[in-house]
Amino acid sequence: GDSVTQMEGPVTLSEEAFLTINCTYTATGYPSLFWYVQYPGEGLQLLLKATKADDKGSNKGFEATYRKETTSFHLEKGSVQVSDSAVYFCALPRLGGKLIFGQGTELSVKP
Amino acid sequence: GAVVSQHPSWVICKSGTSVKIECRSLDFQATTMFWYRQFPKQSLMLMATSNEGSKATYEQGVEKDKFLINHASLTLSTLTVTSAHPEDSSFYICSAPDRAWETQYFGPGTRLLVL
Repeated sequence: GDSVTQMEGPVTLSEEAFLTINCTYTATGYPSLFWYVQYPGEGLQLLLKATKADDKGSNKGFEATYRKETTSFHLEKGSVQVSDSAVYFCALPRLGGKLIFGQGTELSVKP
Repeated sequence: GAVVSQHPSWVICKSGTSVKIECRSLDFQATTMFWYRQFPKQSLMLMATSNEGSKATYEQGVEKDKFLINHASLTLSTLTVTSAHPEDSSFYICSAPDRAWETQYFGPGTRLLVL
């Protein structure tokens, strides 16, 4: 069945370091792909999305490119900040508005 | 942007009691809402789809008599955990799509601890 696999956390980085969080998926067809972020004490928020192969989603300095050939949607940021500390979820939308989430990756950025 | 609230944010109850969790869309109407469950260090798992004016649709393996869902209005869905037991302790999250079904708005979650 459809699934999403993320790299395990927690990930701890120093401020201004480069971030990569890997995400691969298994799905029928060519779905859209999402990254959600959950800041402490808050609900999940959509960070970025891509709707077709080779699309690059971007927001707040984060980027992710939809790679059909490797079924991946890795999240990257060139220079992280303390305020980026959160849990990041890769997600695959299915029919009826349902979302299949990866297990989440906790990011902690130290000053 | 649109806001979804949940109440309570956390609750502790005794085994055998029932607990009701509310999910509200504050500034938009939602004919459909979704209920997820999240275990520590694990992903969100969809439990059920809540439909205004009709029965909820439950995912495979979710006990509908255990997790009662009522979508009473276009802005409110409730999840009642009946006869709660310690294994029901978890983080429950709801979401609602916008009118165009392009974006899901998530509540902040409710942490349930059953003693």
